[in-house]
Amino acid sequence: AQRVTQPEKLLSVFKGAPVELKCNYSYSGSPELFWYVQYSRQRLQLLLRHISRESIKGFTADLNKGETSFHLKKPFAQEEDSAMYYCALRPRGSYIPTFGRGTSLIVHP
Amino acid sequence: GAGVSQSPSNKVTEKGKDVELRCDPISGHTALYWYRQSLGQGLEFLIYFQGNSAPDKSGLPSDRFSAERTGGSVSTLTIQRTQQEDSAVYLCASSLTRDSEAFFGQGTRLTVV
Repeated sequence: AQRVTQPEKLLSVFKGAPVELKCNYSYSGSPELFWYVQYSRQRLQLLLRHISRESIKGFTADLNKGETSFHLKKPFAQEEDSAMYYCALRPRGSYIPTFGRGTSLIVHP
Repeated sequence: GAGVSQSPSNKVTEKGKDVELRCDPISGHTALYWYRQSLGQGLEFLIYFQGNSAPDKSGLPSDRFSAERTGGSVSTLTIQRTQQEDSAVYLCASSLTRDSEAFFGQGTRLTVV
């Protein structure tokens, strides 16, 4: 069975600092990977997916199959980035994403 | 509608009572998911509906949990004989197809006292 691990429950940085939210996965096949974000008092929403290889709100994530990682990065954090971030994996042929436990990002002014 | 709608937004119930949670997906979305979000536990998959196919119930934690989706639209998650460990936020999501982006509702916060 697949597993998604987000080792940090909480990540605290200052505005303007680089940020990296870690995500490691275990899955024997070729997965689809996603990052979801939940801002305070808002619903969970898709931030980005690895197949689109895009940058959203300055965030990027690269799938590293060798290290089985999909870390989320942003070079200069902003206060409005403070939120809960979830990494998710969807195995090929399945339609059910498996989520990690989430990392709370706090960006201090 | 504007998005996935869930009701009620909050529910407090006594241990042992049954509860029903409702999800109205985005119109036209064929796939519908239920997840449970517990503090520090992330999102736990419960059940998945796709069109008229038999649902994937593999995530339901016990036979006290059941769900229906009527007419391929509205879904109801029922928890019988609630226990304190059932306290969580129950999230519903829908997607246009099984491969496309999932849109989440605001959730129902269930508290069993």
